[in-house]
Amino acid sequence: QVQLVQSGPEVKKPGASVKLSCKASGYTFTDNGIHWVRQAPGQSLEWMGWINTGNGNAHYSQKFQGRVAITRDTLATTSYMELNSLTSDDTAVYFCTRLKFGDFSWFDPWGQGTLVTVSS
Amino acid sequence: DIVMTQSPDSLAVSLGERATINCKSSQSVLYTSNNNNYLAWYQQKPGQPPKLLIYWASTRDSGVPDRFSGSGSGTDFTLTISSLQAEDVAVYYCLQYWTSPQTFGQGTKVEIK
Repeated sequence: QVQLVQSGPEVKKPGASVKLSCKASGYTFTDNGIHWVRQAPGQSLEWMGWINTGNGNAHYSQKFQGRVAITRDTLATTSYMELNSLTSDDTAVYFCTRLKFGDFSWFDPWGQGTLVTVSS
Repeated sequence: DIVMTQSPDSLAVSLGERATINCKSSQSVLYTSNNNNYLAWYQQKPGQPPKLLIYWASTRDSGVPDRFSGSGSGTDFTLTISSLQAEDVAVYYCLQYWTSPQTFGQGTKVEIK
């Protein structure tokens, strides 16, 4: 079955960087884009960016432009999301999710999420 | 960016009763060429990722109970739970995938009265 498995929780200090992973299985990795969405405690879902796993082109939300990098390793069928210059506002659960098809469709399935805690 | 506004923020419904959640988009998400509304609904339980319920505004995903239904077009959409069950306690989100960035509503928390 299609599955996305994310890396474990992270605790970082303000100003640090974090790199999360999302391993895909159960389908042809390069057929579907991978998106990253985060959820701060008690808040809604916030789209951060996505990567075309076929050609490696990444696109980011204006909010995170310059501070985020989404990459992929096709051999490892894994996407990575690196966020720099962390502040306490970046404390959140970070999800990866698969674009169902094409460029504009819904997200399904989702990874289990990775909690990132930013604290001094 | 398209702003998605859900109402209410929370609601409490008795078991077996109907729950109705609304979602309004700041611009139309209807693609007239294929007559599809680019709107999905998700259910999220504590400590879990969102689970897809509905796509194209009214198509239930595989395995989703038929008590869940979606309706609406253009800018106004509704998710209805026809007979609330205990396992339906969750936060529900709408998502527009008409344009990038994809945007979510703020969520509606459904509880048992």
